[in-house]
Amino acid sequence: NAGVMQNPRHLVRRRGQEARLRCSPMKGHSHVYWYRQLPEEGLKFMVYLQKENIIDESGMPKERFSAEFPKEGPSILRIQQVVRGDSAAYFCASSLTDQPQHFGDGTRLSIL
Amino acid sequence: EDQVTQSPEALRLQEGESSSLNCSYTVSGLRGLFWYRQDPGKGPEFLFTLYSAGEEKEKERLKATLTKKESFLHITAPKPEDSATYLCAVQAAGGTSYGKLTFGQGTILTVHP
Repeated sequence: NAGVMQNPRHLVRRRGQEARLRCSPMKGHSHVYWYRQLPEEGLKFMVYLQKENIIDESGMPKERFSAEFPKEGPSILRIQQVVRGDSAAYFCASSLTDQPQHFGDGTRLSIL
Repeated sequence: EDQVTQSPEALRLQEGESSSLNCSYTVSGLRGLFWYRQDPGKGPEFLFTLYSAGEEKEKERLKATLTKKESFLHITAPKPEDSATYLCAVQAAGGTSYGKLTFGQGTILTVHP
């Protein structure tokens, strides 16, 4: 029973490029969450999605960031025109309805 | 705004030396309090959920308890493999924020043999 799968594990981008982070939830999980962990900071909520719907994006920066969870395929966190401050570990979690969230091992994004 | 404060920031124990980690929280109606363990380079691993004051959960050497203002993670006779960062998080009741977890900064536990 595979856990939450995130890829790539490491991603290097130059300033101004786009970053796409993928998350495949655990089998049967229809709730997906994205969190960001900046260096020396705790995990911060970004967005909560169910299939084809954004439920809560209160933690998502207003510009350059977007997320989707299509009917088929993984959830995608997209960062356009990346800047140095976007360097962080991005974690995805998934859950069943009203059940604990289970996390993937994250994507470490480095901006040159 | 929901807040979670964990103490101490770091804790060093000798193998077998029992201790407790603290998680103080403020939340507009608690839906659940969660404990996770995080190893370096890995994602958080779920340990426990607590829903109401007075509730306790146990797993091997770990025991989590909950009051209306704080939670404790008690570690009995720890082993070096218990070394990790322990994270506490709360989930608020009601509205669309019920999916969101608010995390504390974590306690880095090191257990020396």
